Parts: sequence; C-alpha cells; structure tokens
Amino acid sequence: AQSVTQPDIHITVSEGASLELRCNYSYGATPYLFWYVQSPGQGLQLLLKYFSGDTLVQGIKGFEAEFKRSQSSFNLRKPSVHWSDAAEYFCAVLNTGFQKLVFGTGTRLLVSP
Amino acid sequence: DAGVIQSPRHEVTEMGQEVTLRCKPISGHNSLFWYRQTMMRGLELLIYFNNNVPIDDSGMPEDRFSAKMPNASFSTLKIQPSEPRDSAVYFCASSLAPGLAGERAKNIQYFGAGTRLSVL
Repeated sequence: AQSVTQPDIHITVSEGASLELRCNYSYGATPYLFWYVQSPGQGLQLLLKYFSGDTLVQGIKGFEAEFKRSQSSFNLRKPSVHWSDAAEYFCAVLNTGFQKLVFGTGTRLLVSP
Repeated sequence: DAGVIQSPRHEVTEMGQEVTLRCKPISGHNSLFWYRQTMMRGLELLIYFNNNVPIDDSGMPEDRFSAKMPNASFSTLKIQPSEPRDSAVYFCASSLAPGLAGERAKNIQYFGAGTRLSVL
C-alpha cells in the first residue's frame, strides 16, 4: 500500500532563511505527488504537483519541489521564507486507482522574526 | 469560481444528536471526497463519489456515518447519533475524475474550508 512519511513534525525557520521540508513516499510505480498547505482555520491549498517530466517542479508562493526516484523523496523548498508561510504542510501521493490521495502526517512550519 | 463550499463552518452539538454537514463541489467537477482531520489520525479519506455514485466508503468509521450525493452540486455527510470522538474537522474536496487510463492530470483535488465539529 502507498504511504507517505514526513519525518519532521515541527520546523522553525527564521524569516528570510531557506526552507526544506522532507517527504518520503512508498509506491510501486511512478508516483503522482502533491504538496498542500493548510493555514490555520483554512482548508488545504495545492502548492504544486509532480506527474512526470522535469523532476524540479515550481509551485505557487515561490515554492518548488524536487522528485528524486532513487531516494523516494519529494522535498519542498523555498529560498527565503516569509512570516506568512507559517502553516502546516502536507505531502501526498495518489494511489493506484488514481483517485485516492494518501497524505503524510504534516509538518508545522513556524517562522521566527 | 467560488471553490468548494462547505457549511456550516462550525458546529457544536450534544452527544446523541444528529449532525449534517454539507458540501457544494466546484461546478463541472464529477468527483467528490469527504475527509476527516484529527490530531491523532491526521487526514483520513472517509468516502468518495464519482458522478454522484459512491465508489469507496471503506474509510467510513461505522454505521453512524452516512453520505449522500443526490445531484452533481450537493453532498451531505450525516452522523447519527453523534459522539464526542467524532469531534474533528471535516473537509470536502472535488476534482475531475480521470475518464481514461492515463488522464491522471485531471485528478487534482480542491478542498473546501472545512467544518469544525465539536460534540459535547
């Protein structure tokens, strides 16, 4: 069965510093991967997705993620974090039926002044 | 587009009462998903529909939970009777179902703002 691991429950980053959130997946074929962000009291917003092609994908709000098949990873990055990026970030993989999303447990990002 | 619309945003009820959560998917989307989010279990898929038909309800926790989609623009999730352990945030999401093998690109799920349910 597919699974997603986000090893960091919380991460604190200073404003202006770079960010990397880790995501590892377990999937038997080429995965379709997503990163969503959830701001407090809000629903999940899609940041970016990987289906095929270029392994470095660009998303909204200045985020990017790199798919590394050899490491079964899809880490999310941002070169300079803003205070408004404080939120919870979820990595997800689409299952073999192409409809069910399997989510990781999320990483809560705190941004310090 | 208004996005996925859920109502109510907050619901407080007493144990034993019936609770109905509502969802209006994005116009033109033909798949609808209900999720539950808790601290202990994270985001769990409860049930999803394609073209108003329930496809997979294996995530529905027990018979107290039921979901319907009477038409393409409306779905409900009902809990009867409600219990304190049902307290959670319930999300609805919609997408375009892949019509043919390989059309995975259509399956991007868009989420509503959620309903925060508190059962006292």
